[in-house]
Amino acid sequence: AQKITQTQPGMFVQEKEAVTLDCTYDTSDQSYGLFWYKQPSSGEMIFLIYQGSYDEQNATEGRYSLNFQKARKSANLVISASQLGDSAMYFCAMRGSYNNNDMRFGAGTRLTVKP
Amino acid sequence: DTEVTQTPKHLVMGMTNKKSLKCEQHMGHRAMYWYKQKAKKPPELMFVYSYEKLSINESVPSRFSPECPNSSLLNLHLHALQPEDSALYLCASSLGDTQYFGPGTRLTVL
Repeated sequence: AQKITQTQPGMFVQEKEAVTLDCTYDTSDQSYGLFWYKQPSSGEMIFLIYQGSYDEQNATEGRYSLNFQKARKSANLVISASQLGDSAMYFCAMRGSYNNNDMRFGAGTRLTVKP
Repeated sequence: DTEVTQTPKHLVMGMTNKKSLKCEQHMGHRAMYWYKQKAKKPPELMFVYSYEKLSINESVPSRFSPECPNSSLLNLHLHALQPEDSALYLCASSLGDTQYFGPGTRLTVL
């Protein structure tokens, strides 16, 4: 069974600073994918970044980067130069290789960017 | 273009009503999903359609009935819902690894 853990219910960051959101996972699959989504108060889940378990390089997408440490089973999201619009709920998610249509989410972290 | 559309945005219904949620994508994605999200909780998978066939049903009560009329459309038919079914219902689609979500339908059952 797959399990995703986000231990930070809420985080605060000053505008223009960087912030790291933690995510650890547990799976017995050799091949899996890790995702981060952003959910503003409007409700839409916005895809941010993806990391495959066999990718050797950490994924980056603009101000988002994923700090992937396979041995530690962690996939932390780093947001650089935070903006007020980054205030939202952030979910880490994983899909395994057995049924890769089955994606499971962590509990989420609410990020608040302070001016 | 990674757009998934959902209608309606908001829906209020009584426990005896029948209503439907609609989801549409024109990205050529062959898998489509329904999720239910309660306030302050992560989304929970309800159904998965792969190539227009139901491939995952996460033991969802029969008062929720999914339908995939074609590769671009996904419906969720609602009948005899309970107040605890009030939630945000999210649709998603995928071609490869990444799922793209619609804006959701906020459902309130009175």
